Amino acid sequence: DVKVTQSSRYLVKRTGEKVFLECVQDMDHENMFWYRQDPGLGLRLIYFSYDVKMKEKGDIPEGYSVSREKKERFSLILESASTNQTSMYLCASSLRRGGDTEAFFGQGTRLTVV
Amino acid sequence: DQQVKQNSPSLSVQEGRISILNCDYTNSMFDYFLWYKKYPAEGPTFLISISSIKDKNEDGRFTVFLNKSAKHLSLHIVPSQPGDSAVYFCAASEVDQFYFGTGTSLTVIP
Repeated sequence: DVKVTQSSRYLVKRTGEKVFLECVQDMDHENMFWYRQDPGLGLRLIYFSYDVKMKEKGDIPEGYSVSREKKERFSLILESASTNQTSMYLCASSLRRGGDTEAFFGQGTRLTVV
Repeated sequence: DQQVKQNSPSLSVQEGRISILNCDYTNSMFDYFLWYKKYPAEGPTFLISISSIKDKNEDGRFTVFLNKSAKHLSLHIVPSQPGDSAVYFCAASEVDQFYFGTGTSLTVIP
């Protein structure tokens, strides 16, 4: 079974802190994604990566950056956390570029910025 | 601009009856469609998918229908069970990305 593991289930951070969310997948997937989920807004794509050291902006990249130094690991960085970044963050991976493949999600990180 | 839309935020169904969840999309280039189920405080789990070359895919109690001319897909759950109570997201993919709807919260009443 594909396993996508996020480093934390719950995090509480202070405004202005730099926050790192880590994600690891164990199935040699090429693509990795970071989404945030907010009530009524569904899943919105922050960044995705289709190869090591490659990254592409999603719909809401402002205030975030990412790093993919190894194929299995994709990190989301909040440069200076703000209260409007309080959300559920979801990491996902998929096998390859192109269709006919599903995304597999981690368990999510509930981030609260105070 | 939302390319995948779920216009019903919530749905309640009696146990044993059919649940029908609907989804509309705007991009005719989408070639693969998926449904995910999500419980609170957990990540979404893949449920069922359909390629754009098909109009129906079935897996046990779950059937997905695709109407490309109407840019509409639906998920049928028969019979509905209390454990099906969750938020359901439809998604569409194009090359690298997945585009998700806003979700429909299904409640199955025992």
